[in-house]
Amino acid sequence: EVQLVESGGGLVKPGGSLRLSCAASGFTFSSYSMNWVRQAPGKGLEWVSSISSSSSYIYYADSVKGRFTISRDNAKNSLYLQMNSLRAEDTAVYYCARGYGDQHLFDIWGQGTMVTVSS
Amino acid sequence: AIWMTQSPSLLSASTGDRVTISCRMSQGISSYLAWYQQKPGKAPELLIYAASTLQSGVPSRFSGSGSGTDFTLTISCLQSEDFATYYCQQYYSFPPTFGQGTKVEIK
Repeated sequence: EVQLVESGGGLVKPGGSLRLSCAASGFTFSSYSMNWVRQAPGKGLEWVSSISSSSSYIYYADSVKGRFTISRDNAKNSLYLQMNSLRAEDTAVYYCARGYGDQHLFDIWGQGTMVTVSS
Repeated sequence: AIWMTQSPSLLSASTGDRVTISCRMSQGISSYLAWYQQKPGKAPELLIYAASTLQSGVPSRFSGSGSGTDFTLTISCLQSEDFATYYCQQYYSFPPTFGQGTKVEIK
């Protein structure tokens, strides 16, 4: 079964850091681009970051550029998001999502992990 | 960035109804449009991509149409499991963007 499982969410103070992980199974992880998409409570979806299959290409939304770092370990079938200088507006459920082809299209999603930034 | 206007934001319908959701782009995107379904507390699921191509396993009562700036998601005969929120998403240009969502609720 194709599956993505996120972990690492939690409560953090403004200015703090958190590292999210996404464990992939059931497909050849190293062949796919991967993404992080977030959803603030009661709000819509916002793409956050993407990384190509070999980590050659990395992209960020303007809202997180310079604060978040996406990475992957193909040997461990894992995707990561290092989040620094967190703000209240970063509070959201963070989903990892598999890229479909070489486009910013998302065909498989994890269940999400909640990040709350509050003092 | 490309902006998207999705309408309506709330749609009240009954089981068996035919429902239509619209997504309008601020500029042309050819057919680089996807539709997702999200149920409460769950992750989104890809329904349609390339404006009209049904993702594997998606029931045929779902259909998509349009190109350029105007797109439509149609559910031909609403089932109980279809009550959810639907999002359009463009992947024509960077950054990828989503519509605001349409909640389909029971009338």
